[in-house]
Amino acid sequence: QSVLTQPPSASGTPGQRVTISCSGSSSNIGSNYVYWYQQLPGTAPKLLIYRNNQRPSGVPDRFSGSKSGTSASLAISGLRSEDEADYYCAAWDDSLSACYVFGTGTKVTVL
Amino acid sequence: EVQLVESGGGLVKPGGSLRLSCAASGFTFSSYSMNWVRQAPGKGLEWVSSISSSSSYIYYADSVKGRFTISRDNAKNSLYLQMNSLRAEDTAVYYCAREGPYSSGWLWGQGTLVTVSS
Repeated sequence: QSVLTQPPSASGTPGQRVTISCSGSSSNIGSNYVYWYQQLPGTAPKLLIYRNNQRPSGVPDRFSGSKSGTSASLAISGLRSEDEADYYCAAWDDSLSACYVFGTGTKVTVL
Repeated sequence: EVQLVESGGGLVKPGGSLRLSCAASGFTFSSYSMNWVRQAPGKGLEWVSSISSSSSYIYYADSVKGRFTISRDNAKNSLYLQMNSLRAEDTAVYYCAREGPYSSGWLWGQGTLVTVSS
């Protein structure tokens, strides 16, 4: 079962904009919604973006998602120290055996 | 308040078995698909298994197929993961997660740690 590819790390200073990419294939990102989860140190993952670009209530509008073809991206604008966390993209995969695939994860560091 | 509470984790020897439970509250459990996801120490998230609201559809990751069994009891608002023939590489925090309506994403429990070691 495949995984989605993300850069292992990203960083920025407070106030900067950081973008995280997520690369997949036609059987996952290309044909299904993309989700983004934030995992703060020592805690469970939390939903950040659903259906490619929708934010749950309570998630600041500094977080935005987009999707194009078999890739997706998460942008964090106005970076804050509390954004330092691991970020994972995810999508259902419609290959031979249906499954849910996660990205490899990106550690965001606020310098 | 929507809540998912996992239990049943612990230390088990290779080849052993363990049954995880996830107690749900604050929502109509029988209306939602549920999932198990694990995270090995210092590693990323790995999907393990999913079950539809009425147990009609069940899916497993290749890494656990034939060894793990997902089930649910809608009368008890509970999700289960029976894990057999455990291996060292199954060591991880196991999370249960509720699938939101209309593809609105997953809500996660706090996780339970499973350690497979002799």
